[in-house]
Amino acid sequence: KAGVTQTPRYLIKTRGQQVTLSCSPISGHRSVSWYQQTPGQGLQFLFEYFSETQRNKGNFPGRFSGRQFSNSRSEMNVSTLELGDSALYLCASSRRTACERYSNQPQHFGDGTRLSIL
Amino acid sequence: LAKTTQPISMDSYEGQEVNITCSHNNIATNDYITWYQQFPSQGPRFIIQGYKTKVTNEVASLFIPADRKSSTLSLPRVSLSDTAVYYCLVDVNTGGFKTIFGAGTRLFVKA
Repeated sequence: KAGVTQTPRYLIKTRGQQVTLSCSPISGHRSVSWYQQTPGQGLQFLFEYFSETQRNKGNFPGRFSGRQFSNSRSEMNVSTLELGDSALYLCASSRRTACERYSNQPQHFGDGTRLSIL
Repeated sequence: LAKTTQPISMDSYEGQEVNITCSHNNIATNDYITWYQQFPSQGPRFIIQGYKTKVTNEVASLFIPADRKSSTLSLPRVSLSDTAVYYCLVDVNTGGFKTIFGAGTRLFVKA
């Protein structure tokens, strides 16, 4: 069974540009979450999508946005890139549904996209 | 929201049992406790998850006391390849799941 696939694996951009990262979840998983990982801040939650709807959002500026398609694939976009946006961006998928009270469906992570801003 | 606290780092030797304790004083009734392992330049990998008492799988055990304010991940007979960062976290359903990662515990296994 294929895992979570993120593309591209590595990306170099310059300040002011924008970038789009892609995530293909495990087949059958409808919940997709995005995280930013940096040495200074660790793993930080960006947002979660389910059935093409953003259900929750972390404390990131509006330059960070995402979307989910009908096949559960997801993209995240960062506009007006800043040096501080250099990070490993991780996507995770899960069998979580919209109605669960208990989070007993673990997340499965991809290996991320390493974004470097020059 | 529940916040987790773990030791920053731990050292061990091959063949030993390693116990990593996590504190989550504000855990809510609906929260599960999940542990992940992460190697450099890879995404976190799910190890084990539990709600109360004890859970065991092929790689680890998870002990959760009755008050659920802490949990202990137990890795039996570690090897060099278990050197990694281990995260304890709780997933909170606030109308959508919001996962809060702590700083993690860096485990270094020596020969």
